Amino acid sequence: KAGVTQTPRYLIKTRGQQVTLSCSPISGHRSVSWYQQTPGQGLQFLFEYFSETQRNKGNFPGRFSGRQFSNSRSEMNVSTLELGDSALYLCASSLLTGSTGELFFGEGSRLTVL
Amino acid sequence: QKEVEQNSGPLSVPEGAIASLNCTYSDRGSQSFFWYRQYSGKSPELIMSIYSNGDKEDGRFTAQLNKASQYVSLLIRDSQPSDSATYLCAGKYSGAGSYQLTFGKGTKLSVIP
Repeated sequence: KAGVTQTPRYLIKTRGQQVTLSCSPISGHRSVSWYQQTPGQGLQFLFEYFSETQRNKGNFPGRFSGRQFSNSRSEMNVSTLELGDSALYLCASSLLTGSTGELFFGEGSRLTVL
Repeated sequence: QKEVEQNSGPLSVPEGAIASLNCTYSDRGSQSFFWYRQYSGKSPELIMSIYSNGDKEDGRFTAQLNKASQYVSLLIRDSQPSDSATYLCAGKYSGAGSYQLTFGKGTKLSVIP
């Protein structure tokens, strides 16, 4: 069974640009969550999607947005990039929202903003 | 503000010893807790979950939860060098038909051969 797939794995952008990250969940999983991981702040929740609807959102500015498609694949977008957006962005899927909290993480997309 | 606090470490233990990892949380509404392990350069993976007060054992791992003290711990018996990783404690808060996992910043464990 294939795991969570995130693309691209690495990317470099400059300030002011925008970026789109993609996540394909485990087959059959309908919930996709996004997290930002930095050495200083650890793992921080961005948002969760279930059945194409955003179910929950963390404390991030509106520059961070996401969506989920009918096949459960998800994308997140960051506009007007800032240096502080440099981080590892992790996508996690789970079978159902509000389930056991068992998340299956992808390998992440490492974003560097110059 | 829902917070989960962990000692960042590093925690060093000799091979074969018991490693004790601790976590406190601020939100009494948190219902369940999880321990994730993250190897360097890899993504987190779930190793234990605990939902009620007391101990839960799974092989060499024991999770402990004390809701009155808002305290969660993970014990690793007979520690192996392969246990060297960062351990993330997470609390799940459920409300308004949704849920959110709040992670601590992690404790780095080094098991010395």
